[in-house]
Amino acid sequence: DSGVTQTPKHLITATGQRVTLRCSPRSGDLSVYWYQQSLDQGLQFLIQYYNGEERAKGNILERFSAQQFPDLHSELNLSSLELGDSALYFCASSVGQVATNEKLFFGSGTQLSVL
Amino acid sequence: GQNIDQPTEMTATEGAIVQINCTYQTSGFNGLFWYQQHAGEAPTFLSYNVLDGLEEKGRFSSFLSRSKGYSYLLLKELQMKDSASYLCAVNTGFQKLVFGTGTRLLVSP
Repeated sequence: DSGVTQTPKHLITATGQRVTLRCSPRSGDLSVYWYQQSLDQGLQFLIQYYNGEERAKGNILERFSAQQFPDLHSELNLSSLELGDSALYFCASSVGQVATNEKLFFGSGTQLSVL
Repeated sequence: GQNIDQPTEMTATEGAIVQINCTYQTSGFNGLFWYQQHAGEAPTFLSYNVLDGLEEKGRFSSFLSRSKGYSYLLLKELQMKDSASYLCAVNTGFQKLVFGTGTRLLVSP
């Protein structure tokens, strides 16, 4: 158990809908990262927050947004869902920022299926 | 852009040694990580290299050559439980950790 909690584990929804994925980092970790993993593309970095502030952005679509709350939990919002958004979404956390040699601790992921 | 290449799949026999290669071309470099991911599970940290050379951790070792943009993960005395995907990831700086697509290792009896 990495200490990172993601909910829900599975999510099935329809095209055009909006969903929210939730992540609670390990106790004491200030950084939260979101990654998307699909079969053909591996782990794609979406966005990182550090202590409530956005710190880095990857190839995150405009339909996607995220935030980190004062209690350090984070939510990833996916809207106007398309079939291609079906993937495993991972949240990870670290104490500081990945500019150092800090390893990431990953949650067990949310499997999103868009039908 | 960022480019990290790994073989898609490798097979090996229990008890053998296998080397998984990773080559990278990134806009910045601040260290290289290896993660293990069993099917349907979260990636877990294996090793970190920032200086050239070999880092050994039990049955697993990782090597880095920054001048060649090259790393490998060496797994010795393979066990069935080592069947998993192995992800190479480069810290490109600017708070970004970029992952390769991973190498799926199948260990057979």
